[in-house]
Amino acid sequence: DIVMTQSPLSLPVTPGESASISCRSSQSLLQSSGYNYLDWYVQRPGQSPQLLIYLASNRASGVPDRVSGSGSGTDFTLRISRVEAEDVGVYYCMQPLQTPWTFGPGTRVEIK
Amino acid sequence: EVLLVESGGGLVQPGGSLRLSCAASGFTFSDYYMDWVRQAPGKGLEWVGHARNKANSYTTRYAASVKGRFIISRDDSKNSLYLQMDSLKTEDTAVYFCVRSVGTYYYGMDVWGQGTTVTVSS
Repeated sequence: DIVMTQSPLSLPVTPGESASISCRSSQSLLQSSGYNYLDWYVQRPGQSPQLLIYLASNRASGVPDRVSGSGSGTDFTLRISRVEAEDVGVYYCMQPLQTPWTFGPGTRVEIK
Repeated sequence: EVLLVESGGGLVQPGGSLRLSCAASGFTFSDYYMDWVRQAPGKGLEWVGHARNKANSYTTRYAASVKGRFIISRDDSKNSLYLQMDSLKTEDTAVYFCVRSVGTYYYGMDVWGQGTTVTVSS
């Protein structure tokens, strides 16, 4: 199975500043198609998870452009610029390259 | 509006069975893989498995933790997804989410239900 790790696991941020979350996979997520099979999800308090980024760098519908994803192979980053109160939640990376699909442990983002 | 609504959760004793359902609306259900993802109390997300679409012969895949105990099925005529859970263990206690995933192309797990709670306890 592909093991996903994230860092940090907890991230206090000041409103208006930027936040970055790292995700690493135990195997390359780069498919022969040229796409990296890595997604980012956020679970805000009391809500179901929500898709933010798919295939490493594609924003889902309705996601603001201050949220971005990058990376390739085994190293990926989610960046949130100009953090707002609504960004509070737990952020997960996930690989859908091969079954079983696996999630990272989650990064809890809180406002300072 | 694209919607997924789970039902069927509840309290069950260890070793018991439960069947979850997921009703889909607002999209062409038969075009998509449909997944189950769960979240134990205070824990992270765990992919349970999925049922692929007709184009992929409705094949199913499971996490090792549920393989042989859980069965995912779908009825495209009813726009419904099911999760039959047998030989339940206390560690199966979780909120279970129904999720839409792969269509003609992959655009992420882009639609999630509100979840249904399963509690396995004596």
